[in-house]
Amino acid sequence: GQQVMQIPQYQHVQEGEDFTTYCNSSTTLSNIQWYKQRPGGHPVFLIQLVKSGEVKKQKRLTFQFGEAKKNSSLHITATQTTDVGTYFCAAAGGTSYGKLTFGQGTILTVHP
Amino acid sequence: SAVISQKPSRDICQRGTSLTIQCQVDSQVTMMFWYRQQPGQSLTLIATANQGSEATYESGFVIDKFPISRPNLTFSTLTVSNMSPEDSSIYLCSVRGGSSYNEQFFGPGTRLTVL
Repeated sequence: GQQVMQIPQYQHVQEGEDFTTYCNSSTTLSNIQWYKQRPGGHPVFLIQLVKSGEVKKQKRLTFQFGEAKKNSSLHITATQTTDVGTYFCAAAGGTSYGKLTFGQGTILTVHP
Repeated sequence: SAVISQKPSRDICQRGTSLTIQCQVDSQVTMMFWYRQQPGQSLTLIATANQGSEATYESGFVIDKFPISRPNLTFSTLTVSNMSPEDSSIYLCSVRGGSSYNEQFFGPGTRLTVL
């Protein structure tokens, strides 16, 4: 089945530093989604990328989809303590059913 | 966005027993999804529940262990049968929706501990 590799597994940053997590697939993806899960919470949808080379921004968050549609990244500028949590990428394959395969997640800790 | 509730929110169960988890959605949806998230791990899809048909199970998950009901378009149950400590996990139900109809909305989860 489809697999997506996400790195790093953990990231500790000082408040104000930047943070990036990467997601890679060996196969071409129809789209990729990003979710955030706060400690003790459930995953919450952040964004979906569909087009090759697409870049989307949400305030301090920048999401990119690779030209080959096999990789994606999430970059947070000037992290805040409210950014703590686990960030997951989730890839959909080429069918209209769109079953999602989640990456392993990156656990972000922000030290004040 | 969909609002999803789950019952129970957590439970501690004895080995060999079964637990049924309920999932209620505030709108009618065709497909409901059941995920498992083991401590510190990612989400793994258990099965997809369609109203009026048998659930579709992912590799490694079988109906005898995780029977699913889907009596209507707003409700589903997942039973974890003959539990063992390895079943200790968070179980989440989910539906698709949003502007692209591809967003996954998750319930708050059921935290299960099996002793």
